[in-house]
Amino acid sequence: AQSVAQPEDQVNVAEGNPLTVKCTYSVSGNPYLFWYVQYPNRGLQFLLKYITGDNLVKGSYGFEAEFNKSQTSFHLKKPSALVSDSALYFCAVRAAWGRNSNYQLIWGAGTKLIIKP
Amino acid sequence: ETGVTQTPRHLVMGMTNKKSLKCEQHLGHNAMYWYKQSAKKPLELMFVYSLEERVENNSVPSRFSPECPNSSHLFLHLHTLQPEDSALYLCASSQDLTGGYEQYFGPGTRLTVT
Repeated sequence: AQSVAQPEDQVNVAEGNPLTVKCTYSVSGNPYLFWYVQYPNRGLQFLLKYITGDNLVKGSYGFEAEFNKSQTSFHLKKPSALVSDSALYFCAVRAAWGRNSNYQLIWGAGTKLIIKP
Repeated sequence: ETGVTQTPRHLVMGMTNKKSLKCEQHLGHNAMYWYKQSAKKPLELMFVYSLEERVENNSVPSRFSPECPNSSHLFLHLHTLQPEDSALYLCASSQDLTGGYEQYFGPGTRLTVT
């Protein structure tokens, strides 16, 4: 079955320290992988994606993610966390769905990131 | 601003009411989506439209009825809802359905069914 797992409900990091939010996936075919962030009372915002090419992808707000095919992982990272990074982070993977070779995103349950001053 | 707007932002309705959620995208995208977001759960895809044509999603109760009059507007008509339907309803759009394009989300409608 196609799925996305975010094994940590919450990650706590001190400001200035590096952060990692974990994501693993299971999907048939080549994976297209995405990270989104959701701030309180807001919709989701796109951060970055991996389609093909370099395994290290850089995105918005200084975030990056590394695609690891052998471990089927796509962890989100940032070298130095800011208090303003505190939010809910979602990993998603493209999955084939329905007729006509359309695709939908399979979403993880989200990880709450708390950055403490 | 993401280019996707939703109204209303908050809605409280009784189980016998009929209401509608509205979504508008200003991005020139061809695909639009309705999602349901409940606490600590993955986003649930409810409906997808591509070029105003609905792509079937059979797992959604009939008390939710989508409408896509043109490529920029998407509605979700609600009737005889249940308390468990209380959630954040998110609208999103993307360039198309090939899956390589990111989705842009509206701020959501917080729905409470009493």
